[in-house]
Amino acid sequence: TQTVSQSDAHVTVFEGDSVELRCNYSYGGSIYLSWYIQHHGRGLQFLLKYYSGNPVVQGVNGFEAEFSKSDSSFHLRKASVHWSDSAVYFCAVSADYAQGLTFGLGTRVSVFP
Amino acid sequence: GGIITQTPKFLIGQEGQKLTLKCQQNFNHDTMYWYRQDSGKGLRLIYYSITENDLQKGDLSEGYDASREKKSSFSLTVTSAQKNEMAVFLCASRPRGRAEQFFGPGTRLTVL
Repeated sequence: TQTVSQSDAHVTVFEGDSVELRCNYSYGGSIYLSWYIQHHGRGLQFLLKYYSGNPVVQGVNGFEAEFSKSDSSFHLRKASVHWSDSAVYFCAVSADYAQGLTFGLGTRVSVFP
Repeated sequence: GGIITQTPKFLIGQEGQKLTLKCQQNFNHDTMYWYRQDSGKGLRLIYYSITENDLQKGDLSEGYDASREKKSSFSLTVTSAQKNEMAVFLCASRPRGRAEQFFGPGTRLTVL
């Protein structure tokens, strides 16, 4: 069984700041890791994923994430946030992506002008 | 591009009532999913379906039935709504061979 934890429930930043959202997982084998974004009142949208290869993966809208096997982490970063990045961000893991995803509780990001 | 449509957008039910939520996708994706989203609890998998007429239980299947009548549609039934229950039900689909899922806008359930 895989589990995923997002340590920050809410992060507040100003427009133009950088942001890092933390995600840690537990699972003994190979695992798919991904990040999704949910704007208020809407469904989730895929940002990026990692399974193997280069541990730094690029996603849409300037987001990137870095996998660390030693830390069991897959943290999401953005160098300069925009007000439209205000949303809830979910980290998700799966040992077999065909069988659905296990989501973290989400991190709400509030971007102030 | 494609779209996932969930109906209804808002669903209000009574305790003990059987309630059905519908999901349609025009991506031509094989696999579809139902998740429940509760405030403070993230998303939890209820059912998924790999192809038409296939059903697989997720971690939260108790109290729910599902039906995959055709490739493009996936229905979820709350068999007996619980009083004061409030949640958002999200439908998703996934293209063959890829990990990312595409989500619908959700159905918000309130049980009085």
